[in-house]
Amino acid sequence: DGGITQSPKYLFRKEGQNVTLSCEQNLNHDAMYWYRQDPGQGLRLIYYSQIVNDFQKGDIAEGYSVSREKKESFPLTVTSAQKNPTAFYLCASNTGTVNSEQYFGPGTRLTVT
Amino acid sequence: RKEVEQDPGPFNVPEGATVAFNCTYSNSASQSFFWYRQDCRKEPKLLMSVYSSGNEDGRFTAQLNRASQYISLLIRDSKLSDSATYLCVVTDSNYQLIWGAGTKLIIKP
Repeated sequence: DGGITQSPKYLFRKEGQNVTLSCEQNLNHDAMYWYRQDPGQGLRLIYYSQIVNDFQKGDIAEGYSVSREKKESFPLTVTSAQKNPTAFYLCASNTGTVNSEQYFGPGTRLTVT
Repeated sequence: RKEVEQDPGPFNVPEGATVAFNCTYSNSASQSFFWYRQDCRKEPKLLMSVYSSGNEDGRFTAQLNRASQYISLLIRDSKLSDSATYLCVVTDSNYQLIWGAGTKLIIKP
């Protein structure tokens, strides 16, 4: 079955540590996205990538970094510079064309204490 | 003003009732519109795209009013399984998705 996998589902870290969230898709999609969702708020775009080896900042990129070395993979690193990292992180992908549906992974719930 | 605004709810509705959600958007250049559904602690999933002429999918009807910059979602004969948060999504000038905060729907037996 095609889809998007994110791991782990739950992640706990101490303040000051960098942490990398995994996102893999086997849908052969060109575009991949990282969103953050906080309680009572809509999804906010962190980074996106339209093609391998290229990515752009979204609305809230500060304190995050990404890489896109392979079409299937788009890992997100939450650095110690991110002031409020506790959130639900969602990875998505689509074909990259206009009106193309975004498919989401199950998400990673990150808690930093 | 938020780019996409929705009534946060929750809407508490008896099973079998009809419920309507409205969503307003601020960018008159938005071209694409969607409703997604998100179950508690799960990822969003596309419910339906919203076309200029309006569209229907079973018990669900979506409409777009470009002049007033709002979209709506109507659910008829609501089921217990319709309980979820409904997210309104529009595209910006770069075709990136702008998400509303969602409206929570609770269907009661």
